[in-house]
Amino acid sequence: AQSVAQPEDQVNVAEGNPLTVKCTYSVSGNPYLFWYVQYPNRGLQFLLKYITGDNLVKGSYGFEAEFNKSQTSFHLKKPSALVSDSALYFCAVRDPNSGNTPLVFGKGTRLSVIA
Amino acid sequence: DAGVTQSPTHLIKTRGQQVTLRCSPKSGHDTVSWYQQALGQGPQFIFQYYEEEERQRGNFPDRFSGHQFPNYSSELNVNALLLGDSALYLCASSYGGLAEISGTQYFGPGTRLLVL
Repeated sequence: AQSVAQPEDQVNVAEGNPLTVKCTYSVSGNPYLFWYVQYPNRGLQFLLKYITGDNLVKGSYGFEAEFNKSQTSFHLKKPSALVSDSALYFCAVRDPNSGNTPLVFGKGTRLSVIA
Repeated sequence: DAGVTQSPTHLIKTRGQQVTLRCSPKSGHDTVSWYQQALGQGPQFIFQYYEEEERQRGNFPDRFSGHQFPNYSSELNVNALLLGDSALYLCASSYGGLAEISGTQYFGPGTRLLVL
């Protein structure tokens, strides 16, 4: 069965510094991977996805993520963090080799950017 | 272009009652998925509707049921509410049903349900 792990419950970073939010996955073949962000009392907003092709995916609000097949990771990154980036971030995976499976989410990582 | 909308935003019920939550998909989308997000957890897949039929279901009891209308909007019904049903219920829309497995799901703001 497909699964995704976000090993850090909380990430703290100073404004202007680079940020990384970690995600590892487990699927039987090549995964489809997604990142979403959730602001307080809001739904999830789509940031970016990896389906195939270039391992470095660029998304909304200056975020990017790198697909690493050997390490089964899909870490979210941003070169310079903003206070407004403080939110809850979710990684999600689908396994296209296991039939029509739903999107499976991690537990989320809370990012706090300190001014 | 309206995004995914959900109603109501908040709801308080007591144990044993029934609740209906509503979702209108993003313009151009024909598929609606429902998720339950408990406090401190990631969203958990409940079920997906496409062409007015339930196409796939997660590990949720039959107390959770749904419907999709010809205009693609959807309802989530929960019967015999339990305290553990308290959560944020998210609706997500996409296009093409399960065939579009690489498609992006767009989420609404959610309905926060509190069961007392």
